[in-house]
Amino acid sequence: EADIYQTPRYLVIGTGKKITLECSQTMGHDKMYWYQQDPGMELHLIHYSYGVNSTEKGDLSSESTVSRIRTEHFPLTLESARPSHTSQYLCASSELGDSNYGYTFGSGTRLTVV
Amino acid sequence: EDQVTQSPEALRLQEGESSSLNCSYTVSGLRGLFWYRQDPGKGPEFLFTLYSAGEEKEKERLKATLTKKESFLHITAPKPEDSATYLCAVQADSNYQLIWGAGTKLIIKP
Repeated sequence: EADIYQTPRYLVIGTGKKITLECSQTMGHDKMYWYQQDPGMELHLIHYSYGVNSTEKGDLSSESTVSRIRTEHFPLTLESARPSHTSQYLCASSELGDSNYGYTFGSGTRLTVV
Repeated sequence: EDQVTQSPEALRLQEGESSSLNCSYTVSGLRGLFWYRQDPGKGPEFLFTLYSAGEEKEKERLKATLTKKESFLHITAPKPEDSATYLCAVQADSNYQLIWGAGTKLIIKP
């Protein structure tokens, strides 16, 4: 079954630590996204990619970086975690040019920075 | 400025009590409007895409409709398992990235 996987599901980490949130998909989708979601709030786009070696910043200013070396893998890295980074991080993927099936989301990583 | 507003923020219904959720949008050229369902602790799950005013789509107890200013998600005879947060998002012609609403939390009591 095609799916999208995020690890870890939960992470509590100290201020100043470097962390990488993992995201992998098995559907061969070209487009991948990272969103930030706080309770009761809209999803905000952090980064996106249209394919290998393509990455763009979204409209949410962030101290994070992403890479897309393989189609199926799109990790998000925070170089120095801060309490303001505490949030839910969602990874998604979609087919290039096809809106009929929407985005497929992972179950998210809930990050707490203490 | 492109934006999406969902109402109400929360809706409590008895099992079998039909109702509608609203998604109002302002966008410079609509490419598509999307409805998603999100269960606690999970990512959103895609439900429908609507492309033009007058279009309707159905899935089980859900029916989505679209006008030039808003979309409705009608839920008929809901069951407790329909309890979730329902998210609306729009995609503009000028920018392919989705603009999301804050969602409506739907609670169906048995």
